[in-house]
Amino acid sequence: EPEVTQTPSHQVTQMGQEVILRCVPISNHLYFYWYRQILGQKVEFLVSFYNNEISEKSEIFDDQFSVERPDGSNFTLKIRSTKLEDSAMYFCASSPTSGASYEQYFGPGTRLTVT
Amino acid sequence: GQQLNQSPQSMFIQEGEDVSMNCTSSSIFNTWLWYKQDPGEGPVLLIALYKAGELTSNGRLTAQFGITRKDSFLNISASIPSDVGIYFCAGQRRIGTASKLTFGTGTRLQVTL
Repeated sequence: EPEVTQTPSHQVTQMGQEVILRCVPISNHLYFYWYRQILGQKVEFLVSFYNNEISEKSEIFDDQFSVERPDGSNFTLKIRSTKLEDSAMYFCASSPTSGASYEQYFGPGTRLTVT
Repeated sequence: GQQLNQSPQSMFIQEGEDVSMNCTSSSIFNTWLWYKQDPGEGPVLLIALYKAGELTSNGRLTAQFGITRKDSFLNISASIPSDVGIYFCAGQRRIGTASKLTFGTGTRLQVTL
């Protein structure tokens, strides 16, 4: 069964450093998303991406964040200058364009620890 | 922002018992989804609901889309140990295109033998 994959599974970085989180969405999906989950809390939406541009973003997704689809398979989230409060699980999700287009399938997540 | 409140927050049940949990919102959603999350893993989609009043099953799981479109319910029948985890509801507002999910606060389920 196709699934969303994410790398790395765990990233430790120092405050102020740039990080790039990578995702490979399900191959025939065209909508992509990033969410985050601070430890013990609910999952929060960051950004959605379709047709090579951002469709929607939350107030969490400020100028420090960016997304990119650099090739036909990868979808990346970049945090330019990490802060302690960016420590969280980051989940990538994807959904199809027709039929069950409302169903979002999540990857296993990247745990980001900012020290 | 939109808030989805789930209840109960947590529950301990015995294996074989049925479980009910619900999710309520102050605003309307057009799609409701239920996910299960195991520790350190991503949410796994269980059931998707698209119409008010809809009742959908997936094995031992049954979910309903409330007729007011402001709530949803999930039932698990004959619980087993692997049902342990956190169950999240998620609402989606936009019709005709995929859009962001707003997640609920979660219900933690623990099953004892």
